[in-house]
Amino acid sequence: NAGVTQTPKFRVLKTGQSMTLLCAQDMNHEYMYWYRQDPGMGLRLIHYSVGEGTTAKGEVPDGYNVSRLKKQNFLLGLESAAPSQTSVYFCASSYGGNSPLHFGNGTRLTVT
Amino acid sequence: GQQLNQSPQSMFIQEGEDVSMNCTSSSIFNTWLWYKQEPGEGPVLLIALYKAGELTSNGRLTAQFGITRKDSFLNISASIPSDVGIYFCAGPKYGNKLVFGAGTILRVKS
Repeated sequence: NAGVTQTPKFRVLKTGQSMTLLCAQDMNHEYMYWYRQDPGMGLRLIHYSVGEGTTAKGEVPDGYNVSRLKKQNFLLGLESAAPSQTSVYFCASSYGGNSPLHFGNGTRLTVT
Repeated sequence: GQQLNQSPQSMFIQEGEDVSMNCTSSSIFNTWLWYKQEPGEGPVLLIALYKAGELTSNGRLTAQFGITRKDSFLNISASIPSDVGIYFCAGPKYGNKLVFGAGTILRVKS
């Protein structure tokens, strides 16, 4: 029972490079989320999805794009990485409503 | 900006002591959630509160949903070394989007 799996676990990018973070969940959850975690800031919502084929902006969406082509996968893309995007990224999923979020173990991204 | 204010930001606790932390907001929340994050892992839900005044326990952890619906408290009794981590409060805003506090870092002196 894998839950929420994020790949990769670590990545270093140079400014201007692009990359995609992959999130997969095996719990048949409808809702999926991408958060970033920065020291002293808690977790801030980047984008989220309430179902396959749908996406919506969260609190800090600029510089990121997402896609939810399959129910179990939620991809986070950085088209042109910037040092301000150095962070730990967490994916989460839930059934929606008041159901709890299940988080992956994070991807630590450093942009130099 | 940060909608949930957690305090304290961090604390050192002698093993065996009780711990209290709280979370406040200028807005009303209908649900309060408490998560714990251990190093290298994602947050894990500890306790969920759905009703004003509700008091819920999970082992040595007890959380309360404030009567005003603008605050919540988490207490840990008889702390042990494995209690170390970051404790986050969270609540849903604008539908199903969770907002998180900045966290309380708990360090235990063994």
